[in-house]
Amino acid sequence: DAGVTQSPTHLIKTRGQQVTLRCSPKSGHDTVSWYQQALGQGPQFIFQYYEEEERQRGNFPDRFSGHQFPNYSSELNVNALLLGDSALYLCASSFGTRDTGELFFGEGSRLTVL
Amino acid sequence: AQSVTQLGSHVSVSEGALVLLRCNYSSSVPPYLFWYVQYPNQGLQLLLKYTSAATLVKGINGFEAEFKKSETSFHLTKPSAHMSDAAEYFCAVSAGTASKLTFGTGTRLQVTL
Repeated sequence: DAGVTQSPTHLIKTRGQQVTLRCSPKSGHDTVSWYQQALGQGPQFIFQYYEEEERQRGNFPDRFSGHQFPNYSSELNVNALLLGDSALYLCASSFGTRDTGELFFGEGSRLTVL
Repeated sequence: AQSVTQLGSHVSVSEGALVLLRCNYSSSVPPYLFWYVQYPNQGLQLLLKYTSAATLVKGINGFEAEFKKSETSFHLTKPSAHMSDAAEYFCAVSAGTASKLTFGTGTRLQVTL
């Protein structure tokens, strides 16, 4: 049973560029959330996708956008990259939007912006 | 709104000693509380969760935590530390929707011989 898979694992971009990160949820899960974890910090909630719609959003600018596909996989897009966007981006999956069960996290995509 | 404060960014214990990682929360509604562990270069793994049932919660790898409403605390403990417990530990709170968690800044646990 595959867990949450994310790609790419590492990438380097320059300021002003755009990046797309991908996530496949754990089998049986239909909800995907994205978190940003800056170095030495706890993860911060970016947004949540359920039924191909953004359901909740954290305090992130519109440069951060996402998408969920019919197979429940998801993408995180960040436009006009800033140095401060350098972080580990974590995808987490769960079943439904009100489930208090376990969130399953992927190993993350580490983005470095130069 | 919810928030979490983890006291102590680094905690060092000897192998076999008690582990105590502190977490205090703030929540405008009855909270759901979680402890996650992150090993180097890995994602987060759930250790345990409190969702308004028993106040003493037992998790994986011998960890447990006690919800104390009067103290707004949810401290994580383990009676005897093992070298494999060395990792980063995060306390998190939600208002009932597991997906949207608010995390603390983490506590790095070091276990020495």
